[in-house]
Amino acid sequence: DQQVKQNSPSLSVQEGRISILNCDYTNSMFDYFLWYKKYPAEGPTFLISISSIKDKNEDGRFTVFLNKSAKHLSLHIVPSQPGDSAVYFCAASARGSQGNLIFGKGTKLSVKP
Amino acid sequence: GAVVSQHPSRVICKSGTSVKIECRSLDFQATTMFWYRQFPKQSLMLMATSNEGSKATYEQGVEKDKFLINHASLTLSTLTVTSAHPEDSSFYICSARVRGYSPLHFGNGTRLTVT
Repeated sequence: DQQVKQNSPSLSVQEGRISILNCDYTNSMFDYFLWYKKYPAEGPTFLISISSIKDKNEDGRFTVFLNKSAKHLSLHIVPSQPGDSAVYFCAASARGSQGNLIFGKGTKLSVKP
Repeated sequence: GAVVSQHPSRVICKSGTSVKIECRSLDFQATTMFWYRQFPKQSLMLMATSNEGSKATYEQGVEKDKFLINHASLTLSTLTVTSAHPEDSSFYICSARVRGYSPLHFGNGTRLTVT
């Protein structure tokens, strides 16, 4: 059973607009959430993270929102740029798990010029 | 910043042979490294946790005799796929963290194709 779900396999957005990528989780023990960006034939690159004690974390064009009661997090990219086109993975870990990350299946974002 | 180097990036081997993949932390010491595998259009699945100086911890369903992990130093972990079969063809990625609860840094992965 998937503990981290990204229900949208793909998303297409116009350059300059907002991209919103969603992620749901089922394990209430998760207390640390991350977003990774991945290009083909490369390893994932860390983008932004959020601890369960927060509900928002912002870094430049990237903002992650966490709704613990809904077990839902989202990544907002604004304004979107063509270079943002990649696969975005949501990941989560639970304290005491040695930091093992559980990944979603990813959402492929395409930003059109 | 922290860098994890993985080698080779791509390997093709014949069925029945063994393949070794190296994962190095270039500018930090990693007591723990993680090995993931990704099948097409699937998420990254944790295979095993590699601990320096001790035995690796394997996830359920991962054969430890088939996927040999050695973490001989604080900067190097190796994954050997023994007696490879076509179903082992996949994208293998290692990762490590600089300290404590910091984000994992990933290598660029190894695309293994077994013919």
